[in-house]
Amino acid sequence: GAVVSQHPSWVICKSGTSVKIECRSLDFQATTMFWYRQFPKQSLMLMATSNEGSKATYEQGVEKDKFLINHASLTLSTLTVTSAHPEDSSFYICSAPRVTIGTGELFFGEGSRLTVL
Amino acid sequence: SQQGEEDPQALSIQEGENATMNCSYKTSINNLQWYRQNSGRGLVHLILIRSNEREKHSGRLRVTLDTSKKSSSLLITASRAADTASYFCATDGRGSSNTGKLIFGQGTTLQVKP
Repeated sequence: GAVVSQHPSWVICKSGTSVKIECRSLDFQATTMFWYRQFPKQSLMLMATSNEGSKATYEQGVEKDKFLINHASLTLSTLTVTSAHPEDSSFYICSAPRVTIGTGELFFGEGSRLTVL
Repeated sequence: SQQGEEDPQALSIQEGENATMNCSYKTSINNLQWYRQNSGRGLVHLILIRSNEREKHSGRLRVTLDTSKKSSSLLITASRAADTASYFCATDGRGSSNTGKLIFGQGTTLQVKP
């Protein structure tokens, strides 16, 4: 079964609104989670590293004020797309390392498809 | 930034045939992984090969790694229609201090015709 859960799996919103996506580790604690974005027929691009209890680390070119990340507990990270625009429409995927960081294997959520009208 | 390149970008074969996908990367790595993604879904981990390994098998999957050429290949033997998906290689980047952060290749879309 899934060890990382994302919610919602899809969302449609109007331009200018904010959308929150949740990523939960189901049976393990994750001090770090990763958020990726995937445009149609393209690869995954790392957006940011979510750190429990501290600020997220954003990749170059990713607007931290637009993509707010909160990692308030050891099992939950949230990504909020603020003032969404059509160009933000994408597939957002989170991942979390189930074992000690360093072994490489990550578990991915099922993704959240955002469509901004 | 993305560092991996995969070829072919798309591959179409008949059921029962073998499928080979290649991946190249640019920086030193601790390990390289292959993931599978069904259309519109999340990623499923297939296999991990460490930088000191040259070949690894898992069921119908065979992965090779050539660190001198900074390349890897994924072979799926006796393909099935259910293998139809996109396949991505991902590296951790030795310089990343093993944080678990992955850099993905562009992916190969595999279609297996019944």
